[in-house]
Amino acid sequence: EVQLVESGGGLVQPGGSLRLSCAASGFTFTSYSMNWVRQAPGKGLEWVSYISGSNSTIYYADSVKGRFTISRDNAKNFVYLQMNSLRAEDTAVYYCAKGDHDGRGAFDIWGQGTMVTVSS
Amino acid sequence: EIVLTQSPGTLSLSPGERATLSCRASQSVRTSYLAWYQQKPGQAPRLLIYGASSRATGIPDRFSGSGSGTDFTLTISRLEPEDFAMYYCQQYGSSPYTFGQGTKLEIK
Repeated sequence: EVQLVESGGGLVQPGGSLRLSCAASGFTFTSYSMNWVRQAPGKGLEWVSYISGSNSTIYYADSVKGRFTISRDNAKNFVYLQMNSLRAEDTAVYYCAKGDHDGRGAFDIWGQGTMVTVSS
Repeated sequence: EIVLTQSPGTLSLSPGERATLSCRASQSVRTSYLAWYQQKPGQAPRLLIYGASSRATGIPDRFSGSGSGTDFTLTISRLEPEDFAMYYCQQYGSSPYTFGQGTKLEIK
């Protein structure tokens, strides 16, 4: 079964850091791009970051550029989101989502999400 | 950045009726890299349509997508009770991969 499981969310103070993890299983991990998407409480979806299967191409939303870093470990089938200098507006459910191929692709598999709350 | 505008914001229909949801892009979407997702409360989004008109695996044929360039449509031919949810369009042709603000499909 193709599955994505996120972890690492929690409560963090403004200016703090958090590292999210996404464990992938049931597919050939290196053959697919991966993404992070977030959803603030009661709001719509916001794409956050993309990484290609080979780690060669990375994109970020302007709202997180310079603060968040996406990475992947193709040996362990994990994708990560390192979040620094967190702000209240980063509070959201963070979803890991698989691209439907390497390169540009729709997001065909989603994890259940992990909640990040930035508050003092 | 490509801005996607969905309309209407809320659509009130009855089971068995036809639903037409619109997604308009601020500039042409590259190679029809346009997707539609369904999201129910407390759940992750689910891919319905990719490439503007291709149904994802396991999606019933009452869901169809059409359009190109800047104008795209999701049509649900005969609404089932489980279809009432939020719907989002997304372009993945150029970074940033933007989503529309969503259309809420509610029971009339």
